[in-house]
Amino acid sequence: QVQLQQSGPGLVKPSQTLSLTCAISGDSVSSNSAAWNWIRQSPSRGLEWLGRTYYRSKWYNDYAVSVKSRITITPDTSKNQFSLQLNSVTPEDTAVYYCARDGEVRFDPWGQGTLVTVSS
Amino acid sequence: SYELTQPPSVSVSPGQTASITCSGDKLGNKFACWYQQKPGQSPVVVIYQDSKRPSGIPERFSGSNSGNTATLTISGTQAMDEADYYCQAWDSSTAVFGGGTKLTVL
Repeated sequence: QVQLQQSGPGLVKPSQTLSLTCAISGDSVSSNSAAWNWIRQSPSRGLEWLGRTYYRSKWYNDYAVSVKSRITITPDTSKNQFSLQLNSVTPEDTAVYYCARDGEVRFDPWGQGTLVTVSS
Repeated sequence: SYELTQPPSVSVSPGQTASITCSGDKLGNKFACWYQQKPGQSPVVVIYQDSKRPSGIPERFSGSNSGNTATLTISGTQAMDEADYYCQAWDSSTAVFGGGTKLTVL
């Protein structure tokens, strides 16, 4: 059974970098049949997919157009986890952030969610 | 950019059938998923690849997808099914979610 455990700060100052990590158990970040995603949810924007990383003989990333200039998703094979970095945050980036596995064209499972507030 | 449209709310009486729609351009040509989210919890997939149920999801949940509309159907709706439901599809390596539908069981 795959489980995802998120970690990272819940408060980030405007213009700084939001960083979250998702630790994987029961699967491998290097799996050839899964992709590892970050999704956020806010009252104003609903559920918003941010991007993914996946391994198919080499590493690939896909990012949402809305954050493409500010986002990096990085796998860490030594710790079997993946991370999100979102630069130059504003209050609009305040949301609950989720990591999720994508296999068989479905997001399952999801991490527990992390409320990140952007405020000085 | 691709958009998925859901009704903001649907109401159903216990034991009756609830249907939640999700509309998008040629959505029937893509795989649709449905997620259930209860307050304070992470979303859980209830239907994937249009009509498949993950293990542990009750048989009363079913899905279909054709033309421009995907539909989540809950037969014999129970009070525990009251939640927000989101549809989702992939468009050109980008995941897109619908705005969500609040299902009220009353």
